[in-house]
Amino acid sequence: DAGVIQSPRHEVTEMGQEVTLRCKPISGHNSLFWYRQTMMRGLELLIYFNNNVPIDDSGMPEDRFSAKMPNASFSTLKIQPSEPRDSAVYFCASSTGRNTEAFFGQGTRLTVV
Amino acid sequence: GENVEQHPSTLSVQEGDSAVIKCTYSDSASNYFPWYKQELGKGPQLIIDIRSNVGEKKDQRIAVTLNKTAKHFSLHITETQPEDSAVYFCAASRSGGGADGLTFGKGTHLIIQP
Repeated sequence: DAGVIQSPRHEVTEMGQEVTLRCKPISGHNSLFWYRQTMMRGLELLIYFNNNVPIDDSGMPEDRFSAKMPNASFSTLKIQPSEPRDSAVYFCASSTGRNTEAFFGQGTRLTVV
Repeated sequence: GENVEQHPSTLSVQEGDSAVIKCTYSDSASNYFPWYKQELGKGPQLIIDIRSNVGEKKDQRIAVTLNKTAKHFSLHITETQPEDSAVYFCAASRSGGGADGLTFGKGTHLIIQP
């Protein structure tokens, strides 16, 4: 298996623009997580899905952030409009469920200028 | 919610020596404690984990200990090698991390001096 696949690896955008980050979880995994990593706040859980259903989005910082999982093999994290403080590395992770390891993708480094 | 504290933030040890990283957690319902290693430009990768029904687990040069009463757990790396240089994160979860997500510590930058 190729692991969790995220795209793009790097994204530079201007403030106010819409940004969409994409994730393909490992086949057969039914839990998917979005994390954000910054120097100041470390790794933070933004939202997670079980069987394509959003379970907890309490970590999403603002209404500008939204996430979808239309099917078991694809998820998006959208920021609209983007702001410089959204600059961070965004990770997607997946697992087979309770009491199992979470596998992380390579991340998307987002820079908002 | 859960809060995980991790110390130290930076640790420099001589090659061949041991390294110890410590974490505390706040939620007594947490029952799964993984450790992740993150190399530059890559995502975190699981190196070892421990569940609340055991007090210690070992895998070659890496070991983890858990004290549920005191709510702390530690990572021990023996005979450190240059490739151990990385950022290490501890984490805690109520359900094995696989279903409910992980709360991470702030990370420890481990530097192995030649």
